[in-house]
Amino acid sequence: DAKTTQPPSMDCAEGRAANLPCNHSTISGNEYVYWYRQIHSQGPQYIIHGLKNNETNEMASLIITEDRKSSTLILPHATLRDTAVYYCIVRVGVMDTGRRALTFGSGTRLQVQP
Amino acid sequence: NAGVTQTPKFRVLKTGQSMTLLCAQDMNHEYMYWYRQDPGMGLRLIHYSVGEGTTAKGEVPDGYNVSRLKKQNFLLGLESAAPSQTSVYFCASSYYLPGTGKRNTEAFFGQGTRLTVV
Repeated sequence: DAKTTQPPSMDCAEGRAANLPCNHSTISGNEYVYWYRQIHSQGPQYIIHGLKNNETNEMASLIITEDRKSSTLILPHATLRDTAVYYCIVRVGVMDTGRRALTFGSGTRLQVQP
Repeated sequence: NAGVTQTPKFRVLKTGQSMTLLCAQDMNHEYMYWYRQDPGMGLRLIHYSVGEGTTAKGEVPDGYNVSRLKKQNFLLGLESAAPSQTSVYFCASSYYLPGTGKRNTEAFFGQGTRLTVV
């Protein structure tokens, strides 16, 4: 699986959009970009994933560059409860490859300020 | 529907003692995983299972054993605990729907077991 690079920490004002970047320059064509977050040592929580098109769900939006070498997770209106460590993970999505587990890096610690 | 449940939530062991961590999921997921997380670090995969009766090594398997005798349960064993195994352990499960073309989209995590080995 491709490695990812994320800033170690970011701050965001409550109510503003939080934009979390991730570089994955060695991503291959069949690898997906996944985002998870971990709130205060709880179990990680799935946020969103995508292959090459931008994706949106009730939690966030995922913007993937055209060359797929980087992506941005957007929390449109950050709240204090969004304070967490956010992990960007790149992995193969198809189940027959034998590589199914997620590989976590150090992530970005997002602090939402009141 | 409880999701993924880990027991116990906390445990203190003496060096050399053994114990088993239990992970149970009620979502009928095929895949289950054990991770450990050390302070300030991301999660590292210990072992995983792609189905009942099958297990495989992850990134940091040494000192641990696992068993998947029932689909809903994944056990992590420490035969002789060492202080280096002090960590928070997370179990996760995920699904695959064969024949539908749907892919594994997300993993569901338990709330963790905080283990201290003294």
